[in-house]
Amino acid sequence: AQKVTQAQTEISVVEKEDVTLDCVYETRDTTYYLFWYKQPPSGELVFLIRRNSFDEQNEISGRYSWNFQKSTSSFNFTITASQVVDSAVYFCALRNSGAGSYQLTFGKGTKLSVIP
Amino acid sequence: KAGVTQTPRYLIKTRGQQVTLSCSPISGHRSVSWYQQTPGQGLQFLFEYFSETQRNKGNFPGRFSGRQFSNSRSEMNVSTLELGDSALYLCASSRTGQGSYEQYFGPGTRLTVT
Repeated sequence: AQKVTQAQTEISVVEKEDVTLDCVYETRDTTYYLFWYKQPPSGELVFLIRRNSFDEQNEISGRYSWNFQKSTSSFNFTITASQVVDSAVYFCALRNSGAGSYQLTFGKGTKLSVIP
Repeated sequence: KAGVTQTPRYLIKTRGQQVTLSCSPISGHRSVSWYQQTPGQGLQFLFEYFSETQRNKGNFPGRFSGRQFSNSRSEMNVSTLELGDSALYLCASSRTGQGSYEQYFGPGTRLTVT
């Protein structure tokens, strides 16, 4: 069975501060995929990034960066110089490679509030 | 390219009724998945369809069913609605083939059962 834990339920930061959202996952598979999604108040889940289990290279995309560490089963997400538009609920998700299914297991989400 | 579309966006039903939700995937995407989102349980997987076949199903009662058509459009049906079925129902589509592809989500259908 797989599981995704986002221990931070809510985070508030002042605009321009950096913030890191934590994600810890559990899976027995050796090949798996990790994702981050953003859900603004409108409700639509917006895809941010996918990372494969065999690729531990960290990534930076603009103000976003991701730190994937298999040794600690963590896939953390950092927003640098946060902006009010970053306010949303962020979900970490896991997909195993077996059975050809695209089923995602989501964490409970972290609600980020960026205060101007 | 148009995104995933879901209709209707909002729905109010009475307990005991049934409801059908529709999802049109991104053009070229053949996998369609459905998720239920509630404040208490979060995002939970309902089922996934690929080439008109249900490929996987989550832990939901048989009142929840779905299907996929030859053009990859999908519908999900909930019969004998209960108050606890009130939720945001999200549809997602994905490319298929070698490797893994991310799922793209629609805006959701917010179902309220009274």
